[in-house]
Amino acid sequence: AQSVTQLGSHVSVSEGALVLLRCNYSSSVPPYLFWYVQYPNQGLQLLLKYTTGATLVKGINGFEAEFKKSETSFHLTKPSAHMSDAAEYFCAVSETGAGSYQLTFGKGTKLSVIP
Amino acid sequence: KAGVTQTPRYLIKTRGQQVTLSCSPISGHRSVSWYQQTPGQGLQFLFEYFSETQRNKGNFPGRFSGRQFSNSRSEMNVSTLELGDSALYLCASSLPTQETQYFGPGTRLLVL
Repeated sequence: AQSVTQLGSHVSVSEGALVLLRCNYSSSVPPYLFWYVQYPNQGLQLLLKYTTGATLVKGINGFEAEFKKSETSFHLTKPSAHMSDAAEYFCAVSETGAGSYQLTFGKGTKLSVIP
Repeated sequence: KAGVTQTPRYLIKTRGQQVTLSCSPISGHRSVSWYQQTPGQGLQFLFEYFSETQRNKGNFPGRFSGRQFSNSRSEMNVSTLELGDSALYLCASSLPTQETQYFGPGTRLLVL
């Protein structure tokens, strides 16, 4: 079974500072990797995904992530944090089973942005 | 294109009751997955349906069941509710061979 580890359940950054949220995964096969964001009382919104090809993936709201196979990592970054980025972020890996894609999630990282 | 919709958004039940949650996928999406989100266990996969058939199932007791209709809408049912079933239940839809899942706003279930 695949697993996802997100380092840091809470991360605080100042407005305008770099955002770095860490994600490591375990997989015996090339994975599909995702970052989702969840605002209070809402569902999950897809930020970005890696399937194949370019290892640096750009997503919405200025976020990007780099797939590093040698480090089994898929860290999420944003050069300059905005107040609106305060939310919970989930890293997920997709594993196939009987032709379907099942997501395995990390525990999430709650991002606080300090004005 | 409208997103994934889930009804109801909030629900309060008592122990021992049963509950049915509904999910309408994005138009054209025929795969529907269900996830449970709790503070303690995080996000956990329940099951996935495609063409009215369950293709994949997570590690949940038989009290959790689901079905999918010919129009791809899906329902999940939890029987004999327990306090620990209090959670946000999220539905996600995707194209049949697509790895990307799009989530609805969830149904928040409180069991008293």
